[in-house]
This record gives sequence, C-alpha cells and structure tokens, in this order.
Amino acid sequence: GAVVSQHPSWVICKSGTSVKIECRSLDFQATTMFWYRQFPKQSLMLMATSNEGSKATYEQGVEKDKFLINHASLTLSTLTVTSAHPEDSSFYICSVLAGGQETQYFGPGTRLLVL
Amino acid sequence: DAKTTQPTSMDCAEGRAANLPCNHSTISGNEYVYWYRQIHSQGPQYIIHGLKNNETNEMASLIITEDRKSSTLILPHATLRDTAVYYCIVRTSKGKSNTGNQFYFGTGTSLTVIP
Repeated sequence: GAVVSQHPSWVICKSGTSVKIECRSLDFQATTMFWYRQFPKQSLMLMATSNEGSKATYEQGVEKDKFLINHASLTLSTLTVTSAHPEDSSFYICSVLAGGQETQYFGPGTRLLVL
Repeated sequence: DAKTTQPTSMDCAEGRAANLPCNHSTISGNEYVYWYRQIHSQGPQYIIHGLKNNETNEMASLIITEDRKSSTLILPHATLRDTAVYYCIVRTSKGKSNTGNQFYFGTGTSLTVIP
C-alpha cells in the first residue's frame, strides 16, 4: 500500500493562531487525498476531499474558510486551521486514494492542542 | 453518514479466531466493503476489502453474505497486537465530490484480545 506521512505529528498553539498540517504521499502520486478529524473516544469524521489542482470539496458543517486545504502537487496536501480555538483541538488524519483508486491509505495523524 | 452497524465491543482469547460482524443492509450493487483497524493514537490501517466474493490476505479473511447485507472479518489467530478498534466501511459509489470513494466511518468494534 501507499506510504503516507504527516507533519508535524503533534502541535501546541495559542488560541487565534493558524496551524498548517502537511500530508505527503511518499511512494505514490495521489490525485485525491482526504482529511479527517477525530475527537477523543469518537470515530473519524470526514472533513473534505482534496483533489490535486482543484478546489477541495468540504463535507456539510465543515467551514471551508476555517479549514483551508491546498493540494498543489500529486504528493502534498496541506490543511491549515485558521484562527484556531480550543474547540479545534483534535486528531487530524489524512489519507491518499491509491491501489487503482480503490483503497485509502492513512497517515499517522497530527494531534493539535489549542490553548 | 455511515452505512454500517457493528457491535460496540468484543473480546477474544489470544490464539483463537476473532470473528467481527458488520451489517450493511443498504449497500448498493457497486459498493465495496472495506475493513480498517485503528490502534490507539495512530492512523487507521487497511486490512482487506471486497465486493461480492470472499477475500483472504495475510492479515485476515472477509466473508460477505450472498445478499451482501452483512459481512464478517476473521482474524484467524488473534494476538495481543490485534487489540484495536475495527471499522467496517462501505465505500460510497458517488460522494459529494461526485467522484465517490469517500469513507464515512461508523463507531467500529473495539476488539480486546485477552491473554
């Protein structure tokens, strides 16, 4: 399967600042990536579908101006949490669509804590 | 929204087979069933997927009923490292981005392998 990395693995920031999370496909050119969020003791929630070279498609209830997604190359998608607040503290996970466009392979996740 | 239902939790003795059920009664004819697992504080790990036929790989076997309304993931010889939350997912054939391939996670089954 595809190897996916995320950076940083964890980040602590002050309320009101913006945080950028990178998702890289290390061995596969991914035209489609996905971003998820997971709160403690809950399941993964799909935030958006990121397509290379075009605008991301956001799920209902996810603010596109707050969670900026840039998929500028086939190996990199970034998620920027703008003006982060404590309620944005969560585990953010990305995935790439690979294996003949059938299977998603997930990154290790980024834990965000907003103080 | 998730199209699957799974038991909240299960226990399995080490060395025995773990059978994890999943109901997906509203699955469409061209929708695949995927299984992932998530060990605490990590990204989900792909296990197996299938459409109609039973599937087997080095990790597990997937048994899909003839009417495709349910499936069972089988870990043939469970080890302590198999303790995780197991997610059964039906891959949408047409999602918001109009390209399909979105995963909507349910609550999963928390499997505990007991020594």
